[in-house]
Amino acid sequence: AQSVTQPDIHITVSEGASLELRCNYSYGATPYLFWYVQSPGQGLQLLLKYFSGDTLVQGIKGFEAEFKRSQSSFNLRKPSVHWSDAAEYFCAVGARGSTLGRLYFGRGTQLTVWP
Amino acid sequence: EAGVVQSPRYKIIEKKQPVAFWCNPISGHNTLYWYRQNLGQGPELLIRYENEEAVDDSQLPKDRFSAERLKGVDSTLKIQPAELGDSAVYLCASSLKLNTIYFGEGSWLTVV
Repeated sequence: AQSVTQPDIHITVSEGASLELRCNYSYGATPYLFWYVQSPGQGLQLLLKYFSGDTLVQGIKGFEAEFKRSQSSFNLRKPSVHWSDAAEYFCAVGARGSTLGRLYFGRGTQLTVWP
Repeated sequence: EAGVVQSPRYKIIEKKQPVAFWCNPISGHNTLYWYRQNLGQGPELLIRYENEEAVDDSQLPKDRFSAERLKGVDSTLKIQPAELGDSAVYLCASSLKLNTIYFGEGSWLTVV
């Protein structure tokens, strides 16, 4: 069965510190991989996605993620966190195909940024 | 370019009452999704449309939930009757082939 695990429910970092949010997945084959961010009262915004090719993916707002097939992981990183990055972050996976079908989401990691 | 538009943004109803949510996807997007997000959880797919056809509705509780996508554009999700456990955020999203899935801001439902 497909599943996405985000082991950290809540992470607190100081502004300017580096950040890594973990994501592990269980899937029959290498899926499409996504990171979304959700601010309070808002919908989800795509940060980045991995379909194929270079396993280090650059996204918006200075985020990047690295796909590691051997570890079934797709961790999100940012070298220097800004106070505006405080939000909830969701990792998601989807089946490969000609269209984007069902995405399976993790339960999310809430990020708090201290000034 | 306008994003995915949903209405209403917030709805409070009593249990056993009906409720409907409306979604207007991004122009030209043939795939439309309805997700439900419970508090403290990630979104879960309820139904996916390719144009007018519902191609994945396996997680839609069909005894009380219904959805339609007339003419392959706008979509409506209905709950009748609502139960306390239906309190959640209902997210509509759309995409074009293998492009990004864009989400709306959600419809927040509270059943009292």
